[in-house]
Amino acid sequence: QVKLVESGGGLVKPGGSLRLSCTASGFSFSDYYMSWVRLAPGKGLEWVSYIRTSETTMFYADSVRGRFTISRDNAKNSLYLQMNSLRADDTAVYYCARLGVDGGIPHALDVWGQGTTVTVSS
Amino acid sequence: DMVLTQSPDSLAVSLGERATINCKSAQSVLYSYNNKNYLAWYQQKPGQPPKLLIYWASTRESGVPDRFNGSGSGTDFTLSISSLQAEDVAVYYCQQYYKSLHSFGQGTKLEIK
Repeated sequence: QVKLVESGGGLVKPGGSLRLSCTASGFSFSDYYMSWVRLAPGKGLEWVSYIRTSETTMFYADSVRGRFTISRDNAKNSLYLQMNSLRADDTAVYYCARLGVDGGIPHALDVWGQGTTVTVSS
Repeated sequence: DMVLTQSPDSLAVSLGERATINCKSAQSVLYSYNNKNYLAWYQQKPGQPPKLLIYWASTRESGVPDRFNGSGSGTDFTLSISSLQAEDVAVYYCQQYYKSLHSFGQGTKLEIK
């Protein structure tokens, strides 16, 4: 069964740090691009970041660039999101998701985890 | 970031009737190399992760009921639900994956009239 499970969320003070993890199972993790998406209270989905299979190519939304770092460990079937300098507006449910592949071309987010909640508050 | 604008922000439709949601991108998401539109549609119900419905603007994801249809090309796209069911109540999002910085529309809340 294809599955993604996030962990690492919690309550953190403004300016603090947190590291989210996402463990994949049921598919060849190293063959897929992976992404983080968040849903803040009362807001819509916001794309945060994605990383290609190579572990060295990644992209970030303007709102998190310079503060968040996406990484992956293909040997451990794991995706990570290191979040530094956290702000109140980073409060959200964070989802990890897999980019599907069609004819060898990565496309939309076809598998999602259940999400982990990050609350930034003093 | 490429801006995607959905319309309307909310929509109430009677059971069995058609629901139509629009998504307009600030730039074309049609990649001329393969003639594919890099646009997807998702459904999200409260307390659940999003679910992929449509990718390449019109390709239905496996297991998605055929009452869900995606259309459009370039900058203008539509998600149609041909005969609304109670379980279709949700927020719907479009997303572009044409640019390296993927982005979502603001969402459309679909309710039963």
